[in-house]
Amino acid sequence: SQKIEQNSEALNIQEGKTATLTCNYTNYSPAYLQWYRQDPGRGPVFLLLIRENEKEKRKERLKVTFDTTLKQSLFHITASQPADSATYLCALVRMDSSYKLIFGSGTRLLVRP
Amino acid sequence: EAGVAQSPRYKIIEKRQSVAFWCNPISGHATLYWYQQILGQGPKLLIQFQNNGVVDDSQLPKDRFSAERLKGVDSTLKIQPAKLEDSAVYLCASSLRGLGQETQYFGPGTRLLVL
Repeated sequence: SQKIEQNSEALNIQEGKTATLTCNYTNYSPAYLQWYRQDPGRGPVFLLLIRENEKEKRKERLKVTFDTTLKQSLFHITASQPADSATYLCALVRMDSSYKLIFGSGTRLLVRP
Repeated sequence: EAGVAQSPRYKIIEKRQSVAFWCNPISGHATLYWYQQILGQGPKLLIQFQNNGVVDDSQLPKDRFSAERLKGVDSTLKIQPAKLEDSAVYLCASSLRGLGQETQYFGPGTRLLVL
């Protein structure tokens, strides 16, 4: 079955630095990969989608890369701010009749002022 | 635009009792999803509806969980009887047509504690 791995340890960085989160997957070749942000007590919020034929996608301070050979996606937040502190979830899109999302367990990001 | 609404926000029950959750998706969204999120894990899809039909319920424990979306709008998820391991946040999400490149919009979730 498909497996998505994200670093379970929290990432603790200084404000202004670039945060880099990793998502590795096995046993599947997704056509799309999505990144979501989740704050405590709230549902996930969509951030970015990247397609298998795209190497990189940017949105403001966010950048996502997708390496289908390594089966890995990297999520970058540049010029990080304390307000970026949250859990970030990676999800692959399973392309069958349901286009089901398979989520990783998420990585918690803490940005120190 | 109003988001996905869920109620109740919190529920505490004893094991073997029953419980029901309600979800109202974004207006016009054909696809509705119920996810279970156990503490420290990512959301796991339980069931997906396209209008009022079930598209995927492969991970729904059908001996105790049931869900319906009778008029293709609101949905309810029921657990009967509840077990301790059902303690989790139950998230409802919706998307316009359920396609792979679409955004899923999540509600705030219902936090269930089974004692």
